[in-house]
Amino acid sequence: ILNVEQSPQSLHVQEGDSTNFTCSFPSSNFYALHWYRWETAKSPEALFVMTLNGDEKKKGRISATLNTKEGYSYLYIKGSQPEDSATYLCALNTGNQFYFGTGTSLTVIP
Amino acid sequence: DTGVSQNPRHKITKRGQNVTFRCDPISEHNRLYWYRQTLGQGPEFLTYFQNEAQLEKSRLLSDRFSAERPKGSFSTLEIQRTEQGDSAMYLCASSLILNPTGELFFGEGSRLTVL
Repeated sequence: ILNVEQSPQSLHVQEGDSTNFTCSFPSSNFYALHWYRWETAKSPEALFVMTLNGDEKKKGRISATLNTKEGYSYLYIKGSQPEDSATYLCALNTGNQFYFGTGTSLTVIP
Repeated sequence: DTGVSQNPRHKITKRGQNVTFRCDPISEHNRLYWYRQTLGQGPEFLTYFQNEAQLEKSRLLSDRFSAERPKGSFSTLEIQRTEQGDSAMYLCASSLILNPTGELFFGEGSRLTVL
């Protein structure tokens, strides 16, 4: 079992604040790194799939970076909105298996 | 709706009873995964299928758990003689093996409560 760690475990921010989370993983088993957003009572929704060291992906106010050599990825949210409130999961894809972190629970306070 | 569908969405059962969950993946997806998620934890891998073949099963999975995907389409996860520790969200996901990144598409999950 590979250990994927996410921090912080939970986060409360004011509407309009920018925030970021960390996902760290063992770099030796890397095939791809996935970020998912999981809203309550819904299914986890894919945000980004990242495969290349130094990769940076962006979708609206959300962006992510990847460092495969040191084994970490950052997710950034600029100008947080209440609708960004969710659990953000990262998952290490080894080619056959996905290993998930415990998630970062984000609450954006209006 | 062409997404991954799971049922039932919620199941409450007494300890010792058997329960079965069903997952209907996206129709052209040949890989199907089952995960379990408990409070404060990330999804934990249980098993996965490629078409009808069960290729891997977690060592954490006791022999009370069994999964099938008889025709390579829908899958069932059965838990026999349920215990209170089985209470969790059971997530199903599917993917297309030809997709190089193997992105997972999830259902909404089946929440099990064992009394």
